[in-house]
Amino acid sequence: GQQLNQSPQSMFIQEGEDVSMNCTSSSIFNTWLWYKQEPGEGPVLLIALYKAGELTSNGRLTAQFGITRKDSFLNISASIPSDVGIYFCAGRIIQGAQKLVFGQGTRLTINP
Amino acid sequence: EPEVTQTPSHQVTQMGQEVILRCVPISNHLYFYWYRQILGQKVEFLVSFYNNEISEKSEIFDDQFSVERPDGSNFTLKIRSTKLEDSAMYFCASSDRERQPQHFGDGTRLSIL
Repeated sequence: GQQLNQSPQSMFIQEGEDVSMNCTSSSIFNTWLWYKQEPGEGPVLLIALYKAGELTSNGRLTAQFGITRKDSFLNISASIPSDVGIYFCAGRIIQGAQKLVFGQGTRLTINP
Repeated sequence: EPEVTQTPSHQVTQMGQEVILRCVPISNHLYFYWYRQILGQKVEFLVSFYNNEISEKSEIFDDQFSVERPDGSNFTLKIRSTKLEDSAMYFCASSDRERQPQHFGDGTRLSIL
């Protein structure tokens, strides 16, 4: 089925540490998106990836579209307290299909 | 920065009642979507809408659900006869082109009693 496996489910880190999370699937994706969700709010787009091998940064965030088109990772460098939240990967599987399939999310907690 | 806005932020409804969730997508966007998120779970696609018709829907989007763009700015999701399991956050999203990133509103929390 169209499943995205996102890991880890949760992370507890110290402020200043780097963070890495990833998503994998048995299906080939044409687009990978990374969103962040904070309590009571909707997902906010962080990074969009469109081509296999693409590496894109947004400030301290870096994401890559895997060469096999079946995976993506998100790195956060030098974490700060406002990075706390749930990070979701999402992707489009079929060329032209509009729906996004979401991962289960990675809950990031930061100890100051 | 333009935003997707959703109203109400919280809707409490008796089981069996009809409910309409409202969204104002970003003004120059042409593709509209509804997703839902049951508490503690991942976001799930419900339906996409383009050019005044449904372009894609999931198995969740059964005959109890309908969408409408009643005017040039609003996009609504109607649940005809709500069930307990319809309790969730419902997110509206929009994009300006077919494969462009979708931007989400802050959601409507639907509680069915």
